[in-house]
Amino acid sequence: DAGVIQSPRHEVTEMGQEVTLRCKPISGHDYLFWYRQTMMRGLELLIYFNNNVPIDDSGMPEDRFSAKMPNASFSTLKIQPSEPRDSAVYFCASRPGALPYGYTFGSGTRLTVV
Amino acid sequence: AQSVTQLDSQVPVFEEAPVELRCNYSSSVSVYLFWYVQYPNQGLQLLLKYLSGSTLVESINGFEAEFNKSQTSFHLRKPSVHISDTAEYFCAVTVSGGYNKLIFGAGTRLAVHP
Repeated sequence: DAGVIQSPRHEVTEMGQEVTLRCKPISGHDYLFWYRQTMMRGLELLIYFNNNVPIDDSGMPEDRFSAKMPNASFSTLKIQPSEPRDSAVYFCASRPGALPYGYTFGSGTRLTVV
Repeated sequence: AQSVTQLDSQVPVFEEAPVELRCNYSSSVSVYLFWYVQYPNQGLQLLLKYLSGSTLVESINGFEAEFNKSQTSFHLRKPSVHISDTAEYFCAVTVSGGYNKLIFGAGTRLAVHP
């Protein structure tokens, strides 16, 4: 298995533009998580899905952020409009079933909003 | 709700010296504990985990951590570090049940000097 695949690896965009980050989880993993990593706030859980259904989006910072999982093999995190304070590394992770372990993280997308 | 406190943001150490990275957690229920490592510009990799049983857990590269329920701690130790151990280390906690999520500490940057 190729692991959790995120794209793009790097994204530089101008303030006000729409940004879409993509994630392909490991096949068979029922849970998908989006995390954001910044120097100031560390690793924050933004949202997670179970069987493509959003379970907890309490970590989503603002209405400018939205996430979808249209099928078991694809998820997106969208920021519209983007702001400089959104600059961070965004990680996607997936996990099989109800077990508390087995998380696999992607390599992350480094987002820079100028 | 669960939370994790990593007491040291940075730990400088000389090569071949011992090191301890401290982690304390808070939770009202039984927890599962993890240490993840992040090398520069990479995603997070699981280093070791405590689920149940023996309170001392080990990784394949010489790290070990001990679960101490009375002190609510899960400190990470290595008797002799290498330059290649330079990385950021994250302590994380979750609870049993399907709808659980991995909560991370702020991270400790381990810098091994020659």
